[in-house]
Amino acid sequence: AQKVTQAQTEISVVEKEDVTLDCVYETRDTTYYLFWYKQPPSGELVFLIRRNSFDEQNEISGRYSWNFQKSTSSFNFTITASQVVDSAVYFCALSEDPMNRDDKIIFGKGTRLHILP
Amino acid sequence: DSGVTQTPKHLITATGQRVTLRCSPRSGDLSVYWYQQSLDQGLQFLIQYYNGEERAKGNILERFSAQQFPDLHSELNLSSLELGDSALYFCASSRATGSENEQYFGPGTRLTVT
Repeated sequence: AQKVTQAQTEISVVEKEDVTLDCVYETRDTTYYLFWYKQPPSGELVFLIRRNSFDEQNEISGRYSWNFQKSTSSFNFTITASQVVDSAVYFCALSEDPMNRDDKIIFGKGTRLHILP
Repeated sequence: DSGVTQTPKHLITATGQRVTLRCSPRSGDLSVYWYQQSLDQGLQFLIQYYNGEERAKGNILERFSAQQFPDLHSELNLSSLELGDSALYFCASSRATGSENEQYFGPGTRLTVT
């Protein structure tokens, strides 16, 4: 069964600190996609990244970086030099099977991140 | 701006009532998904339509129904509303089916049932 676990319900850090949000997933498929979304207080879902299960290269985008490790079924997200504007709820998500079954996105419960000035 | 529009942005209604949420997908997208975000259930998939046909169903209550029209916009109908139906309802669209097609999320409709 597919499942996404974000064990950290809430994290608070002081501005400029680095913070890592953990994500562990379960799937029986060999082909799948992993995502991170940001949900600021305004409520919309902001897409951050999508990774194919065959691409284990880590990715960096500005202050954001992602560490994908198939061996531990983890897809962790790190914010470097955090800023108050990073305060939001962050969701890790999984989508399976690019072929003919349903392609819904399974979301984790989210991690609420507070960046304190 | 994802290109997906949802109306209305906010909706307040009473228990027992019926409401319709509307979604217009991005131009050219054939697939529409509905998700519900509630405090107790989190973000969960409700239903998917592809080119007018229902394609996949998630944890959608029998009181809820949806359809996709020939112009590809979709409506989610919620009836006999209960307090627990208060949630943020997101619509997403993608070019086709299959998870290799990226889903673009709309801004959501916040439903409050009093």
